[in-house]
Amino acid sequence: DAGVTQSPTHLIKTRGQHVTLRCSPISGHKSVSWYQQVLGQGPQFIFQYYEKEERGRGNFPDRFSARQFPNYSSELNVNALLLGDSALYLCASSSLTGGGFYGYTFGSGTRLTVV
Amino acid sequence: GDSVTQMEGPVTLSEEAFLTINCTYTATGYPSLFWYVQYPGEGLQLLLKATKADDKGSNKGFEATYRKETTSFHLEKGSVQVSDSAVYFCALSGSSNTGKLIFGQGTTLQVKP
Repeated sequence: DAGVTQSPTHLIKTRGQHVTLRCSPISGHKSVSWYQQVLGQGPQFIFQYYEKEERGRGNFPDRFSARQFPNYSSELNVNALLLGDSALYLCASSSLTGGGFYGYTFGSGTRLTVV
Repeated sequence: GDSVTQMEGPVTLSEEAFLTINCTYTATGYPSLFWYVQYPGEGLQLLLKATKADDKGSNKGFEATYRKETTSFHLEKGSVQVSDSAVYFCALSGSSNTGKLIFGQGTTLQVKP
């Protein structure tokens, strides 16, 4: 079975630009969460979606948005990129909203560099 | 708010040494607790979990016990291998069902042959 897949793996953008990151969950998983991991720190929660509805949002500015599609894949969008948005963006999937109870499966991430 | 604190690294051990990585947490309610491992250039892998007090999670020789009285979830392994070299993250899930995991800052483990 394929795990959680994210694309692209690496990305370089210029300040002020917009970026879209993509995630495909494990087959059958309906919950997708997004995390930002700055170098040397633990991941920080950005969003969770379940059955195409937002179920949780972390402390990130409105420049960050996301959505989930009918096939449960998801996109994370970041507008007006700042240097501080440079990070590894991780997607995680779970079969239930209670992924915090059962555990999430993470993808390998998208490394975003803003210059 | 909820938080997780891990011992600072890096932790450097010789092969076959005993490992302990300390993790303490602050949370309302009854969170689930997790250890994740991150190998260089990769995402996070769930190592073990515990969902209630006194539960012991275990996997691949690693163990951690959910201690509510000390709000701790320390990771232990009796004999580490070079292949265990990685960054280890302690995490908790909040009592609200938002899918949010709260991570510690991570502890780098380096095992030397």
